Amino acid sequence: GNSVTQMEGPVTLSEEAFLTINCTYTATGYPSLFWYVQYPGEGLQLLLKATKADDKGSNKGFEATYRKETTSFHLEKGSVQVSDSAVYFCALSVPDTGNQFYFGTGTSLTVIP
Amino acid sequence: EAQVTQNPRYLITVTGKKLTVTCSQNMNHEYMSWYRQDPGLGLRQIYYSMNVEVTDKGDVPEGYKVSRKEKRNFPLILESPSPNQTSLYFCASSRGTSGRAEQYFGPGTRLTVT
Repeated sequence: GNSVTQMEGPVTLSEEAFLTINCTYTATGYPSLFWYVQYPGEGLQLLLKATKADDKGSNKGFEATYRKETTSFHLEKGSVQVSDSAVYFCALSVPDTGNQFYFGTGTSLTVIP
Repeated sequence: EAQVTQNPRYLITVTGKKLTVTCSQNMNHEYMSWYRQDPGLGLRQIYYSMNVEVTDKGDVPEGYKVSRKEKRNFPLILESPSPNQTSLYFCASSRGTSGRAEQYFGPGTRLTVT
């Protein structure tokens, strides 16, 4: 079946630290991969995506590369800010096999000044 | 402003009392979906729709119904709510049906069933 496994949280970092949130997936076809972010009290927003192997998604200093060989889509940022404090969700869909979406359990990030 | 709206935002109800959570989008999106968010479980898809009159079950459809009579609206119906349906619910929509497009999420509906 299809599933997403992401790093357990919570994660606490100091401002300007390097961030990695691990995400691995299992998919029966050729998935598209996403990172969504949820700020307190809000719905989810797309952070970045990649739709084929070796694609790199990037946005607001965050990056993730679609690695088919390791079935991974790890989220990275070189220097986090207090405003990056949020919950991050890795997700996949498998186009052309029903368009269901599968989300990870979420990783809570707190950045302290 | 492009948005997905949900109503109500908060709801407390009793076991067995039918309820409907409305969802509406103004972006002319084909794809709409309902999720529930529970601590430690992330988001799980309840139902989705790829167009008017086309709906499919997600991972956790038991106890829920949906309909898609108009492109902009996708209500979630709980015919006989139970306490295990206490959760935070999100509606989302996206352009097209490829599964590759960004989903736009509503603000969420927090439901408590006593």
